[in-house]
Amino acid sequence: ETGVTQTPRHLVMGMTNKKSLKCEQHLGHNAMYWYKQSAKKPLELMFVYNFKEQTENNSVPSRFSPECPNSSHLFLHLHTLQPEDSALYLCASSQLLGGGGNEQFFGPGTRLTVL
Amino acid sequence: GQQLNQSPQSMFIQEGEDVSMNCTSSSIFNTWLWYKQDPGEGPVLLIALYKAGELTSNGRLTAQFGITRKDSFLNISASIPSDVGIYFCAGRPNTGNQFYFGTGTSLTVIP
Repeated sequence: ETGVTQTPRHLVMGMTNKKSLKCEQHLGHNAMYWYKQSAKKPLELMFVYNFKEQTENNSVPSRFSPECPNSSHLFLHLHTLQPEDSALYLCASSQLLGGGGNEQFFGPGTRLTVL
Repeated sequence: GQQLNQSPQSMFIQEGEDVSMNCTSSSIFNTWLWYKQDPGEGPVLLIALYKAGELTSNGRLTAQFGITRKDSFLNISASIPSDVGIYFCAGRPNTGNQFYFGTGTSLTVIP
């Protein structure tokens, strides 16, 4: 138990569906992240939020839409996804964005399959 | 973006053996992290390193921040079956806040 929870753990959706992934951290951290993990590839950073403000969007397609209502919650809204978007989506949090205390703690991930 | 070369890609070892893996980057990093990921779970932080030459242990795990600041090493002593999993390195360069991740080392321990 890392203090970062994600729901759902598994999601199967069609290309025309709209769904949302949820992340919650119980660590009192100020920065939150979305990563995509595909087989045989390094983790790909998607979005970064620091004190609820988005500070990084790594050229992610607009069919992925993040939302951070407060420092403890992070959402990833999905619509009109493609089969190649199937992957493990990981949420992480850190105390700070830079400097000491920037170690990232990960949630268990949501395994997404797009049909 | 930054590329981290992590090796080896996979290891098959006998229980009780020691394990070594490493990560190299093309530029200088100021932080190195090592994670372990079990199937169906997210990565779990094992060790964090902040200074060149730093050597840090966590039980049977020891990691070092290379003195060139372009590499890091993870050693596992006297491996046990629960060490099975994928080990990732992550590094943060001097500029920016982003961490870059290696492709992982898959460890199999044969009882």
